[in-house]
Amino acid sequence: GESVGLHLPTLSVQEGDNSIINCAYSNSASDYFIWYKQESGKGPQFIIDIRSNMDKRQGQRVTVLLNKTVKHLSLQIAATQPGDSAVYFCAENMNDYKLSFGAGTTVTVRA
Amino acid sequence: EAGVTQFPSHSVIEKGQTVTLRCDPISGHDNLYWYRRVMGKEIKFLLHFVKESKQDESGMPNNRFLAERTGGTYSTLKVQPAELEDSGVYFCASSLRRTSDTQYFGPGTRLTVL
Repeated sequence: GESVGLHLPTLSVQEGDNSIINCAYSNSASDYFIWYKQESGKGPQFIIDIRSNMDKRQGQRVTVLLNKTVKHLSLQIAATQPGDSAVYFCAENMNDYKLSFGAGTTVTVRA
Repeated sequence: EAGVTQFPSHSVIEKGQTVTLRCDPISGHDNLYWYRRVMGKEIKFLLHFVKESKQDESGMPNNRFLAERTGGTYSTLKVQPAELEDSGVYFCASSLRRTSDTQYFGPGTRLTVL
């Protein structure tokens, strides 16, 4: 499943499929980007980050892609599992400390 | 290692009352941040402490909000008097260093103003 375009608030994906969550950021001067996962009743949990001198970074089952030309960030989740159901936020780091968050995408994994 | 903790988890108050939220950062983290998310919108930055000093409070909505961090440990965020539009989830985060370091978030305090 994929949230296409600049941003879609919801994404439904079949268990086992790959998920792609997209995010457009606003400040071309931002040099650090982070994806957070927020489960119900919990605070945002760090997933993966990437700096502006990189185009791609991989973690465990997750990959973040950065396209600075169009100010676009994406999070790919491989083999989506029920535990991946959550709200996913992208955030850009401005001025070294102040995080600016996107609107969030709610991912629902279908069994 | 204990994470960021916040108290209370929920607070329901009436318009005009006062509420104080507390945040305990991860031990040893000098940087503490407050954010909030209102009505399902984006999470917005409120302010940033380095130890006990306020570095940036540009996100504070108005003077009804007062944040403190006595002794550079835990922080409090007081809303006085509370208004309906203050309802939302208030998050606290902490980081070890200031420069592009990972911010770890607490579970948040859900504030409802009736």
